[in-house]
Amino acid sequence: GESVGLHLPTLSVQEGDNSIINCAYSNSASDYFIWYKQESGKGPQFIIDIRSNMDKRQGQRVTVLLNKTVKHLSLQIAATQPGDSAVYFCAERRGSGGYNKLIFGAGTRLAVHP
Amino acid sequence: KAGVTQTPRYLIKTRGQQVTLSCSPISGHRSVSWYQQTPGQGLQFLFEYFSETQRNKGNFPGRFSGRQFSNSRSEMNVSTLELGDSALYLCASSWSGTSDEQYFGPGTRLTVT
Repeated sequence: GESVGLHLPTLSVQEGDNSIINCAYSNSASDYFIWYKQESGKGPQFIIDIRSNMDKRQGQRVTVLLNKTVKHLSLQIAATQPGDSAVYFCAERRGSGGYNKLIFGAGTRLAVHP
Repeated sequence: KAGVTQTPRYLIKTRGQQVTLSCSPISGHRSVSWYQQTPGQGLQFLFEYFSETQRNKGNFPGRFSGRQFSNSRSEMNVSTLELGDSALYLCASSWSGTSDEQYFGPGTRLTVT
């Protein structure tokens, strides 16, 4: 498959452990944040989103935390599985009228070892 | 329902040529966004269309253009190709484009030689 990014930071975890992927965003005016997962050869896949009026949101095995004070976003994956191996991107929405103009972070590669 | 489709999946062009990429959104989706993905620059927003109108534009030169048709299908065009235009071009669709979930296609891998 195609490599998404050749020099991305990598987080290596053991299967069954919890993973935490961090992201710093730049614009304090951003009001909507999303985490995407991208597997080799595929487009990004939506994982979970959070609006700026929240500081935590939970999905199935995933939790997103938002700290607006320090402009920091994190994705927690519980009981990480080999299928979670991928590149993870955070994205913030900017643009007038709230339309979809997403600014993506550089990405983090998650490697899950059995 | 069918996902976002992009054609072609792979393309090789020569410097100076132009190229047109196509994106068919999920049925019912009216917003289509385009992104460029490279190892060096990551994912960068190109532009977004809704109901045949460009609503948002990223910081790319005028060689990059797009359009959307009445059936919401979208095309992007790159003229006078440069080596640095080699990238994965991703299209994403959503119902309204206002913070609803975007669904990405598999991308078109463009190689400029």
